[in-house]
Amino acid sequence: QVQLQQSGPGLVKPSQTLSLTCDISGDSVSSNSAAWNWIRQSPSRGLEWLGRTYYRSKWYNDYAVSVKSRITIKADTSKNQFSLQLNSLTPEDTAVYYCAGGWALPNWGQGTLVTVSS
Amino acid sequence: DIVMTQSPDSLAVSLGERATINCKSSQSVLYSSNNKDSLAWFQQKPGQPPKLLISWASSRESGVPDRFSGSGSGTDFTLTISSLQAEDVAVYYCQQYYSIPLTFGGGTKVDI
Repeated sequence: QVQLQQSGPGLVKPSQTLSLTCDISGDSVSSNSAAWNWIRQSPSRGLEWLGRTYYRSKWYNDYAVSVKSRITIKADTSKNQFSLQLNSLTPEDTAVYYCAGGWALPNWGQGTLVTVSS
Repeated sequence: DIVMTQSPDSLAVSLGERATINCKSSQSVLYSSNNKDSLAWFQQKPGQPPKLLISWASSRESGVPDRFSGSGSGTDFTLTISSLQAEDVAVYYCQQYYSIPLTFGGGTKVDI
């Protein structure tokens, strides 16, 4: 059974960088059949997929166009985790951020409420 | 991007009655490799992450009660709760995983 545990700050100042990590148990971040996603949810934008990373003999990344210039998703095989970095934050980035595993997203982290405010 | 449109936005159903939620995709989500539609249904309760109920349009996840069923193909899909229970009060979302970006419907709130 795959379990995902998120960590990271809940309050970030405007223009700063959000960094979240997602620890994986029950699967490997470098599995050849898995994909590791970041998704956020806000009242104004609903559920919004941000991007993913996956390994198929090499690492691949896909990002949403809306955040492509500001986002980096990386895997850390030594810690069996993956991370999200989102730069140049504005109040519009305030949301609950989730990590999620799989192609049909069967596994989710607990969520982190991130507030962008000075 | 594939746009997912759900209807209705909300519905109230009596205990034991049927609830039906519709989802329409702006283009086909048929995955040719397995001839299945890349369409999932999620249930979300307050303060919790979404929970996957159904994948491939009609395949129920392990542990999901059989009163939940998914149907449809092509661009039109339906989630049916055959006999609503109190614990089914939640917001339900459809989602396509056929192409990037993954996209979700706007949600349907189900109440008693």
